[in-house]
Amino acid sequence: AQTVTQSQPEMSVQEAETVTLSCTYDTSESDYYLFWYKQPPSRQMILVIRQEAYKQQNATENRFSVNFQKAAKSFSLKISDSQLGDAAMYFCAYRTLDDKIIFGKGTRLHILP
Amino acid sequence: NAGVTQTPKFRILKIGQSMTLQCTQDMNHNYMYWYRQDPGMGLKLIYYSVGAGITDKGEVPNGYNVSRSTTEDFPLRLELAAPSQTSVYFCASSGLPGRRPDTQYFGPGTRLTVL
Repeated sequence: AQTVTQSQPEMSVQEAETVTLSCTYDTSESDYYLFWYKQPPSRQMILVIRQEAYKQQNATENRFSVNFQKAAKSFSLKISDSQLGDAAMYFCAYRTLDDKIIFGKGTRLHILP
Repeated sequence: NAGVTQTPKFRILKIGQSMTLQCTQDMNHNYMYWYRQDPGMGLKLIYYSVGAGITDKGEVPNGYNVSRSTTEDFPLRLELAAPSQTSVYFCASSGLPGRRPDTQYFGPGTRLTVL
């Protein structure tokens, strides 16, 4: 069965600095999607970025980028120029072959002014 | 385009009561999902549906039932509420007709407390 592991329950970063959130996953599938979702205090789940496993190029969305290492089954999220509005829970997620999404337990990110 | 809507936003139930959490999406998505999120935890899949008339169990289905009579609606029924069902419930949808789903779009959540 697929699993998603986020080893950092909490992280802090100074405003305007860069932070990297870690995610590893376990799967025997070769084609899949990976996602990072943000959950601010409002509890709304917001898609930050997604990566298709067959694409070697790392996905980028403005200040957010991923480091996708397929062989290592690693999918980290880098946030550049951190802003106060980035403070949230961040969930790494994996889409299975039967179209279910498996979420990690999350990393709470604090932004220090 | 409202996306995914859920009602109610909050609810308090007594042990043994029943209720239905409503979920509607207007994006013509085939796939719909119900998750629960316990405090400090990630989301766990309760049930999902790949289209009208088709539902399947997720990771934590016990104590819940679902139905999918239309593309738009995917209600979640709690029978005989228990304190262990105190959680925040999220509905999500994904996947246009003829395409495999990728990104899930989430509703705002329903916070349920069972006392």
